[in-house]
Amino acid sequence: ETGVTQSPTHLIKTRGQQVTLRCSSQSGHNTVSWYQQALGQGPQFIFQYYREEENGRGNFPPRFSGLQFPNYSSELNVNALELDDSALYLCASHANTGELFFGEGSRLTVL
Amino acid sequence: GQNIDQPTEMTATEGAIVQINCTYQTSGFNGLFWYQQHAGEAPTFLSYNVLDGLEEKGRFSSFLSRSKGYSYLLLKELQMKDSASYLCAVRDSGANNLFFGTGTRLTVIP
Repeated sequence: ETGVTQSPTHLIKTRGQQVTLRCSSQSGHNTVSWYQQALGQGPQFIFQYYREEENGRGNFPPRFSGLQFPNYSSELNVNALELDDSALYLCASHANTGELFFGEGSRLTVL
Repeated sequence: GQNIDQPTEMTATEGAIVQINCTYQTSGFNGLFWYQQHAGEAPTFLSYNVLDGLEEKGRFSSFLSRSKGYSYLLLKELQMKDSASYLCAVRDSGANNLFFGTGTRLTVIP
């Protein structure tokens, strides 16, 4: 148990649609990162939020956006879904030690 | 940029020892992490190295050589439940995010 919860666990969308994924971080962790993990690959960094501000971004287009709320929960939004967006989306809560605590992920399938 | 390499797959026998290697080339370095990920589950933290040398934690040990851009994860007394993917990840200096390799899928056979 990492204390990080994500929803939904699974979802299916069609090309062109929009999706919102949600994450509740560990209590007291004010930094959260989102990762995309394609099948058979390692997680790829999408972006990071610290105290409600974006604090770093990986090589993902602007249709990937996020929000962090005052209670440090967060959202990942993806617009204009493409088939290649099918992946496991992981939320990670940052401890002060630098360790990341991952949620179980949201598995998105785009048809 | 970051480049992290590790073998794609390995197979080892129950009770044996296996070493999973990771080489990295990064623009900055602020620590190397190993994570274990069972199929369909979230990655879980195994070890963290920021200085050169060996860190031991039970059946698992991790080694780092910063001058060589090299790390390995050593698993002893392998158990069937150790079958999983093992992810090597580097934290960039000045940043607080991790860059992952593609992972090594370890299969433990009887």
